[in-house]
Order: sequence, then structure tokens, then C-alpha cells
Amino acid sequence: GAGVSQSPRYKVAKRGQDVALRCDPISGHVSLFWYQQALGQGPEFLTYFQNEAQLDKSGLPSDRFFAERPEGSVSTLKIQRTQQEDSAVYLCASSLLGQGETQYFGPGTRLLVL
Amino acid sequence: GENVEQHPSTLSVQEGDSAVIKCTYSDSASNYFPWYKQELGKGPQLIIDIRSNVGEKKDQRIAVTLNKTAKHFSLHITETQPEDSAVYFCAASRGNQGGKLIFGQGTELSVKP
Repeated sequence: GAGVSQSPRYKVAKRGQDVALRCDPISGHVSLFWYQQALGQGPEFLTYFQNEAQLDKSGLPSDRFFAERPEGSVSTLKIQRTQQEDSAVYLCASSLLGQGETQYFGPGTRLLVL
Repeated sequence: GENVEQHPSTLSVQEGDSAVIKCTYSDSASNYFPWYKQELGKGPQLIIDIRSNVGEKKDQRIAVTLNKTAKHFSLHITETQPEDSAVYFCAASRGNQGGKLIFGQGTELSVKP
């Protein structure tokens, strides 16, 4: 079946602009994760949803970052007033249940803030 | 805080040789250890994982070993092929917190024909 999809694949934003990144998880997957991957680094956890509930947002770098999953399926990561240090690949992953389960990653959205 | 250290950062081998990548973790509550392969422009893809109740797991040319006492785990790739060239990441997670993954810094593996 279809894997995790993300859109857009690439986004160029001017500093100060707001951006919205979309994630479509694998159908039926309860858990959804967002990670941020800087160039040449491993992914770093941002936030986690179980269905529509955001259970952990400890990795969000600032209050400019906001994520939602209102119907327990598609998720959106929003970054307000983007800054150059927000430039990274944003990865979404989903898993059937969560704990100790395989996380399936999407291709990521590469964000470049100029 | 939780931390995963991964070595080496780059690894170059001849086709047919073996490759070994090592990781250490700091959180003794970690009990799930996946390995991901990431090719350029793509998301990480799971290649093998191991849970804390097992010391070793093998899948064809790929094997992973876990030493819980030393908090070490390693990836072994035998009979390497050029298509194994990619960046490999180890990760660790607890059983709670939804299973968020703490990743190592990555190893860029190059297999020369």
C-alpha cells in the first residue's frame, strides 16, 4: 500500500514568512511523529501524536512551531515567522501503535529560509 | 539527557568486505534499537531492529548485536555491495513516550566496486 507522503517536497521561504508542511501517514496508523533533520545530522524529535492528541511536544524548538492532527490522520506542521536556522529537512513518520513499533518515514520536506 | 553516539562518521570499504558501525546510548530505559538507511533525497528506511530481550538478530547480510550491560549496539553488513552505499543511522527509544526515536549522528558508508 501507499507509504507516508509529505508535501511540499521543497519549500523556499523568505525570512519572516509562515510555512505549513503536510504529512499523510499510512492509513490506520495511530501514531505520528515529526522530526527535524539538519544537514549532515541525524533526525531530531519534534512532536508526537496518538490519534488526534498531541502527547509530546517537548522537541519543538520554540513557540513559533505548531503542529496539529485534528482528525487523527493528516498532520500539519506550521512554522511562523521563519528564520534561517529553521532551514532543514522536516520528516514525518507513522507507526501502527507507537511504542517499540516500526516507524515508517516519509520523504521529507526540505525547507530553505532565505 | 538521552543521547546516542555513533561511530565512525564515514566508512569506506571494498565491495565484498564487511562493514561495522557502532553505537552507544545513555538512557538505560531504552529497549528498542532500530537501524535506518537513508539515501540522498529520501527519508530513512528501516533495515533491521532489535529489542532489549534479544542479544543478536540477523537478516541475510545484515546483523545487529546488543550489549545492554555496556549500552552498546552494532550493525554488521557482510559481503557489501555498491548499492549498500548510503548514510546509516542507529536509534534508541524507550517503551513509553510513544516510542520517540533518539538518533545517532549517522555513518556515511561508501562501498567501492
